Amino acid sequence: KAGVTQTPRYLIKTRGQQVTLSCSPISGHRSVSWYQQTPGQGLQFLFEYFSETQRNKGNFPGRFSGRQFSNSRSEMNVSTLELGDSALYLCASSLGGDGDEQFFGPGTRLTVL
Amino acid sequence: AQSVTQLDSQVPVFEEAPVELRCNYSSSVSVYLFWYVQYPNQGLQLLLKYLSGSTLVKGINGFEAEFNKSQTSFHLRKPSVHISDTAEYFCAVTPGGSYKLIFGSGTRLLVRP
Repeated sequence: KAGVTQTPRYLIKTRGQQVTLSCSPISGHRSVSWYQQTPGQGLQFLFEYFSETQRNKGNFPGRFSGRQFSNSRSEMNVSTLELGDSALYLCASSLGGDGDEQFFGPGTRLTVL
Repeated sequence: AQSVTQLDSQVPVFEEAPVELRCNYSSSVSVYLFWYVQYPNQGLQLLLKYLSGSTLVKGINGFEAEFNKSQTSFHLRKPSVHISDTAEYFCAVTPGGSYKLIFGSGTRLLVRP
């Protein structure tokens, strides 16, 4: 069974631009979560989607948004990029039940110049 | 708010020696507990999880952890480490019904020959 895939793997943008990251979950998984990993703040939860509905979100500004499609694939968007948005963005998928294991993708490394 | 503390940022150990990585979490009505490992330039891989039942949990690669409710701890142990265990280890909790992982700051395990 194929794992979680994320595209692109690397991305370089400039301040003020916007970016869209994509995540394809494991087949049969209906939940997709997004996390931001930085050296200073560590791993922080962004949001979680289940069957196209956002069930939970973290403490990030409104510039960070996401969505999930009917095939469970998910995208996250960051508008008006800031230098501090440089990070590894990790996507994880699960069956969606309470406490279910989350399987992580390799991440997208975003660099904002 | 729920939080996870990993007191040791780095743990150096010699090959074939035992190791314990410490994790404490703030008390909550119900939580699910996880340990993940991250190798350089990769996503997170689940080592083991505690949902309920036996407090001693065995995971992959010879790792195990013990859930201690009274001390709100979930320490990770391995009786004999290998060079290949060198990586970053993250303890995480999921408060019941939240569908999100709250991570500790991570512990870098450095195994020396």
